[in-house]
Amino acid sequence: ETVMTQSPATLSASPGERVTLSCRASQSVSSNLAWYQHKPGQAPRLLIYGASTRASGIPDRFSGSGSRTEFTLTISSLQSEDFAIYYCQENDLWPPGTFGPGTKVDF
Amino acid sequence: QITLKESGPTLVKPTQTLTLTCSFSGFSLDTSGEAVAWIRQPPGKALEWLAHIYWDNDKRYRTSLKTRLIITKDTSKNQVVLTVTNVDPEDTGTYYCAHIKKWGRAFDFWGQGTLVTVSS
Repeated sequence: ETVMTQSPATLSASPGERVTLSCRASQSVSSNLAWYQHKPGQAPRLLIYGASTRASGIPDRFSGSGSRTEFTLTISSLQSEDFAIYYCQENDLWPPGTFGPGTKVDF
Repeated sequence: QITLKESGPTLVKPTQTLTLTCSFSGFSLDTSGEAVAWIRQPPGKALEWLAHIYWDNDKRYRTSLKTRLIITKDTSKNQVVLTVTNVDPEDTGTYYCAHIKKWGRAFDFWGQGTLVTVSS
């Protein structure tokens, strides 16, 4: 099973800032990587799939990049509604599609 | 618009069987390419995929839990049911059902989740 790691575990930022979250896979997953946003008590939300394709309805301030083992999620200008936990998930070895431990973005 | 909602008990005793129901709308599980998954998150831990079922009744299970999981669908009711047998406290967590992006591998719509505690 591919092991996914994310860094940092917590990222403190302010509205308007550009933030970059990292995700690393223990082996190549090609471009088969997704990003999700999760707020407490809410359903997780798919942001990015195929490493760089925004899901339907996702604002263009969210962008994904990377391939093989190194991936990045960038929020170009952090909005108040973006404070949440972000998970990456590989879906190359499908199933199971291993999730990373998450990065919490807070004030 | 696709929506999903989980339902089931909040408290289960060790060794009992846990049955969770996912009720969904916005798609049909007898349409080619459609699939629904169950994912859980133990407290303080990462999300973990448990199982999914395809429109053609093909099923996939997490290897480590394969002997304890059963996933079924009822297309007439737009429901998917996950059964977990012989539960123990490590099965405590929030259980989510999710729609799998058609012909894809990402979970594009999720329910809000249901918290299940396994305790005597």
